[in-house]
Amino acid sequence: EPEVTQTPSHQVTQMGQEVILRCVPISNHLYFYWYRQILGQKVEFLVSFYNNEISEKSEIFDDQFSVERPDGSNFTLKIRSTKLEDSAMYFCASADHTDTQYFGPGTRLTVL
Amino acid sequence: AQKVTQAQTEISVVEKEDVTLDCVYETRDTTYYLFWYKQPPSGELVFLIRRNSFDEQNEISGRYSWNFQKSTSSFNFTITASQVVDSAVYFCALVNSGNTPLVFGKGTRLSVIA
Repeated sequence: EPEVTQTPSHQVTQMGQEVILRCVPISNHLYFYWYRQILGQKVEFLVSFYNNEISEKSEIFDDQFSVERPDGSNFTLKIRSTKLEDSAMYFCASADHTDTQYFGPGTRLTVL
Repeated sequence: AQKVTQAQTEISVVEKEDVTLDCVYETRDTTYYLFWYKQPPSGELVFLIRRNSFDEQNEISGRYSWNFQKSTSSFNFTITASQVVDSAVYFCALVNSGNTPLVFGKGTRLSVIA
């Protein structure tokens, strides 16, 4: 069964460093999303992406964040200068036209 | 504005008991979709069910069943004869049509004790 994959599973970085989180969505899906979940809290929307551009973003998704679909398979989230409060689980999701979003296993980001 | 409320923060049951997880939602849209996701201790989010706003028929899948009532804006989830493997955090979520972002509730942590 097709699934969303994410790498790395765990990333540890120093405050102020740049990180890139990678996702491979399900191959025939057209809609892509990033969400984050701070430990023990609810899942929060960051950004959605369709037709090679951002379709919607939340207040969390400030200038420190960017997304890219550099080729036909990968979908990346970049955080330019990480802060302690960026420590969270980051989930990628993809969807086809049915509005059902399938999530990847997540990347746990720890900022020291 | 859309909102999903899961009033139960934590529930603990003994194996083989039935348990119902509550979900109440708010939306001004007439077309929307409701979801349940399971987050086991390993951390991934597993899709369980999707329901559209025009289909109030209850659904059963094995030990899982869902009760959607538009009159009370609720979409409750029942696990029959719970098992230890059901222990997880369960999230209810809402989305408008058009592939818009999911709005999640805060989740209910279910612990099933052997």
